Amino acid sequence: GAVVSQHPSRVICKSGTSVKIECRSLDFQATTMFWYRQFPKQSLMLMATSNEGSKATYEQGVEKDKFLINHASLTLSTLTVTSAHPEDSSFYICSARSRGASYEQYFGPGTRLTVT
Amino acid sequence: AQSVTQLDSQVPVFEEAPVELRCNYSSSVSVYLFWYVQYPNQGLQLLLKYLSGSTLVKGINGFEAEFNKSQTSFHLRKPSVHISDTAEYFCAVSDPYPKTSYDKVIFGPGTSLSVIP
Repeated sequence: GAVVSQHPSRVICKSGTSVKIECRSLDFQATTMFWYRQFPKQSLMLMATSNEGSKATYEQGVEKDKFLINHASLTLSTLTVTSAHPEDSSFYICSARSRGASYEQYFGPGTRLTVT
Repeated sequence: AQSVTQLDSQVPVFEEAPVELRCNYSSSVSVYLFWYVQYPNQGLQLLLKYLSGSTLVKGINGFEAEFNKSQTSFHLRKPSVHISDTAEYFCAVSDPYPKTSYDKVIFGPGTSLSVIP
């Protein structure tokens, strides 16, 4: 139980284009989803938190207009990187928390984004 | 604000030897504590968690951790490591009583465990 998937696992896009990453909770309802960014050999940096049906809360320094987060249903959240640049290349990981489990997050496998 | 320190960025250890990965956190109030493992190019997997109760917590893959409130530590241990334990390990902390619904898990910088044959 408590499986989170991400799609795609790897994506290469050209500078200036937009790319969408999906995060799905497969066997539970995710009331809250989190998006993290991880640079090589570094820890996870929380980008934003979203509750189903409401706007995401972004961490300080994260551009809302660049990293669009939508949490339209209890099983799906999307992160869209708009007008991507090479410096946006990174490993993006989502996690989800179910209703009633206030302390535990279940992590997706991550998406490797490379902007050329 | 809470913070997590993992003093050792890299820990090499021989196969079948014991290992301890250190974690200290900054909060003086109640916390939830976690250890996660990350294999290359993968997401995070929960090894164990401390919420309350017994200070010795047992997790998956033979790992255990001990919560020490006075030292604000949550060190991870395994008595005998395997090659397959080579991975990145993250200690994390969260607030059991967040002021908003958007509570966070704060991650430490990670410790890279390398098991040497």
